[in-house]
Amino acid sequence: AQSVTQLDSQVPVFEEAPVELRCNYSSSVSVYLFWYVQYPNQGLQLLLKYLSGSTLVKGINGFEAEFNKSQTSFHLRKPSVHISDTAEYFCAVSESNFGNEKLTFGTGTRLTIIP
Amino acid sequence: DAGVTQSPTHLIKTRGQQVTLRCSPISGHKSVSWYQQVLGQGPQFIFQYYEKEERGRGNFPDRFSARQFPNYSSELNVNALLLGDSALYLCASSFRLADEQYFGPGTRLTVT
Repeated sequence: AQSVTQLDSQVPVFEEAPVELRCNYSSSVSVYLFWYVQYPNQGLQLLLKYLSGSTLVKGINGFEAEFNKSQTSFHLRKPSVHISDTAEYFCAVSESNFGNEKLTFGTGTRLTIIP
Repeated sequence: DAGVTQSPTHLIKTRGQQVTLRCSPISGHKSVSWYQQVLGQGPQFIFQYYEKEERGRGNFPDRFSARQFPNYSSELNVNALLLGDSALYLCASSFRLADEQYFGPGTRLTVT
């Protein structure tokens, strides 16, 4: 069975500083990896995804993530954060066997930007 | 284009009651998935439907059921509500099974 671990439940960062949100996964088969953002009282919005190919994935709002198969990690990074990045971030994994594309989510990381 | 829509937005029910939540996918999308997000946790997969057939089911009791209609909209039913069913219920749609899932704003269910 697949699982996702987000190592930090809360991350405070000063505005314009860089940030890394950590994600590790466990699966016995090939996976697809995703990062979603959730603003207060809203649904989930896809930031970026890794399906195959280049291990460095660029997403919306200046975020990027790197897939590391040997370390089973998919950490999210942004070189300079803004107040508007304050939100909950979820890492998710989907096993790449066609027929059931359920997403397994981590417990989330709350990113707080300090002015 | 309209995104995924869910109704109602908020709902308050009493223990033991039954509830039906509704989801309309993005036009042209044939797959709908349901997730439960308890406060402070990540979403948990409940069901996935594709072309009106159940294609996946998470680790939820039989009190939870769902269906998908010919127009690809979907309903999630929960019977014999428990306090622990209080959560944000999210619906997601995708064009095909292997495509990106787009999430709706969710239905906030409170069981008292």
